[in-house]
Amino acid sequence: AQSVTQLDSHVSVSEGTPVLLRCNYSSSYSPSLFWYVQHPNKGLQLLLKYTSAATLVKGINGFEAEFKKSETSFHLTKPSAHMSDAAEYFCVVSGAGGYNKLIFGAGTRLAVHP
Amino acid sequence: DAGITQSPRHKVTETGTPVTLRCHQTENHRYMYWYRQDPGHGLRLIHYSYGVKDTDKGEVSDGYSVSRSKTEDFLLTLESATSSQTSVYFCAISDRGENSPLHFGNGTRLTVT
Repeated sequence: AQSVTQLDSHVSVSEGTPVLLRCNYSSSYSPSLFWYVQHPNKGLQLLLKYTSAATLVKGINGFEAEFKKSETSFHLTKPSAHMSDAAEYFCVVSGAGGYNKLIFGAGTRLAVHP
Repeated sequence: DAGITQSPRHKVTETGTPVTLRCHQTENHRYMYWYRQDPGHGLRLIHYSYGVKDTDKGEVSDGYSVSRSKTEDFLLTLESATSSQTSVYFCAISDRGENSPLHFGNGTRLTVT
C-alpha cells in the first residue's frame, strides 16, 4: 500500500532564507510523486511532478524537489523564500489502481516572515 | 484554474437536508473527481468519474452520490446532510488517467448545522 508522511505540519522562515518541506513516502513500486500548493481560499495548484526520469525535479516559482529512493523521501526546497510563498503545501504519491488514485499528505503550512 | 467552476462557493444547510454541489469544466477532460479537505487529513477522494455515466467510489464515499450526464458536469449529492460532512469540497479534473496531474477548482465550503 502507498502512503505519504509530511514531517512538519508548520514551517516558519524569514523572507530570503531557504525553505525545506519534508516528505517521506511508502510505495510497493516505483511511484509518481507530486507537490501541490494551496493559497488561502483557493484550489490546489501543481508545483512539480516526479515520474522516474531525473531525480531532481524543477517546478514553478523556483521550487525543486529531489527523489531519494534509498531514503524514500521527496523533500521540497527553495533557495530563497518570498512572502508570496506563504501557503499550504501537499506532498502526494500515486496509488495503485486503474484510476488516478492520489494519496495526499496532511499538508505543511509555510509561514514567511519579513 | 483550468476552466473549472464549482457552485455554490459557500453553503450552510441543516442536518437531514439534501445538498447538491456542482462542478463544471470547459476543458473537455475525461476524468473528474470530488475530494473533501479536512484539517489534518489532506484531501480524501469521495467519488470519481472516468466518462459520461461512468463513476466509482473513492475512499470516503459513504453518504455521498454522484452523477455525470455530460462531459462537462459532475454533481455531488449529499442525500441527507450530517454535521460530519461539514468540510471544503474540491472538484478536480485530468485529461489522462493514472499518474497525471490534477487541476482543481476553488472549492465549496459546506457547513451543516
